[in-house]
Amino acid sequence: QQPVQSPQAVILREGEDAVINCSSSKALYSVHWYRQKHGEAPVFLMILLKGGEQKGHEKISASFNEKKQQSSLYLTASQLSYSGTYFCGTAATGRRALTFGSGTRLQVQP
Amino acid sequence: DVKVTQSSRYLVKRTGEKVFLECVQDMDHENMFWYRQDPGLGLRLIYFSYDVKMKEKGDIPEGYSVSREKKERFSLILESASTNQTSMYLCASSTAGGGGYTFGSGTRLTVV
Repeated sequence: QQPVQSPQAVILREGEDAVINCSSSKALYSVHWYRQKHGEAPVFLMILLKGGEQKGHEKISASFNEKKQQSSLYLTASQLSYSGTYFCGTAATGRRALTFGSGTRLQVQP
Repeated sequence: DVKVTQSSRYLVKRTGEKVFLECVQDMDHENMFWYRQDPGLGLRLIYFSYDVKMKEKGDIPEGYSVSREKKERFSLILESASTNQTSMYLCASSTAGGGGYTFGSGTRLTVV
């Protein structure tokens, strides 16, 4: 079963912040985040492992709450280059491959 | 620059044809994956392989098969193409330790 992402779409002005959520019904040992620009391949952003850690990547960071099987991606002071579709990929305990959510389309306007 | 290369960017095939989609990676990754991407559905796993000649079914394997004879190459086979297999197909690879995936640019397949 695919993880549920919310919101499905969001429009921001440059400099605004956004949060994208990913929720799974399965016990997870890791969560990945990817960004896909139109017509391009998804690009890996970060991985969060079981242990409830928070990671950062420039102005993009994420958290993983393993008790709730939820992860959130935080984009602060958004830039035009942040536009794209963001996918979470979850690795359930005992499964070797990621299951991806349906994506969140993010558009940053000038 | 490390890469996952998919042999065709666009492909048009007729219903009933046998279709081969090829994927090659140059990172010596153990794991390779095939996903299909459809609007509103995200990426759905078709098959994956964690070693040469090893394969496991994903969530939507019906109508597909795979082959991995060499570590760097993972092929997706549509045994008898149907119109509902029109989609974007993405290949990816990762290390055995479960690190981030590197995706190919995709093959947009249209079955007419």
